[in-house]
Amino acid sequence: SQTIHQWPATLVQPVGSPLSLECTVEGTSNPNLYWYRQAAGRGLQLLFYSVGIGQISSEVPQNLSASRPQDRQFILSSKKLLLSDSGFYLCASTTSTASDTQYFGPGTRLTVL
Amino acid sequence: EDQVTQSPEALRLQEGESSSLNCSYTVSGLRGLFWYRQDPGKGPEFLFTLYSAGEEKEKERLKATLTKKESFLHITAPKPEDSATYLCAVGHLKAAGNKLTFGGGTRVLVKP
Repeated sequence: SQTIHQWPATLVQPVGSPLSLECTVEGTSNPNLYWYRQAAGRGLQLLFYSVGIGQISSEVPQNLSASRPQDRQFILSSKKLLLSDSGFYLCASTTSTASDTQYFGPGTRLTVL
Repeated sequence: EDQVTQSPEALRLQEGESSSLNCSYTVSGLRGLFWYRQDPGKGPEFLFTLYSAGEEKEKERLKATLTKKESFLHITAPKPEDSATYLCAVGHLKAAGNKLTFGGGTRVLVKP
């Protein structure tokens, strides 16, 4: 079965600092990968998705970027964090047996001060 | 543009008091409608996928139904452990990368 890991679980960063969030997937191959942000009490906003290594599509113009250096690794980055980047970041993945269903990782809580 | 609206925003139930959550959607070509459960501070947990009007799926006290314009999540005789936020999402047939559009969620609190 598939397992999605996200690291770190929580992060407190000052404004203007860099960011790197990592998502790794076990138990499947060639997944579609997604990064979402969820503000407090709100729905999920899709930030980036990837259908393969090195293939990144951006949904929302912002100071964030994403990369997929390996088949089952997805990284969310920023060079300089803004206060508005605070939120709950979720990584999601499809599986080889359910390519239309997204399964979510445990999330990373980011607070920018 | 695909749109998903969930109602009510919040629902307080007594244990055993059955109720329904609504997910209204607008999509020109439905690939699937997805229900998730999310506990505070955790990632959403997949519950169901519905593909065509008239389809129904059940899991324990939860039953999801689908029409051409909306989906309902029925909670029968809820227990306190059913307290969570329930999210609905739609996928468009031609959406690149099998993207989903999510609604704002319904927060359900079941009191003993």
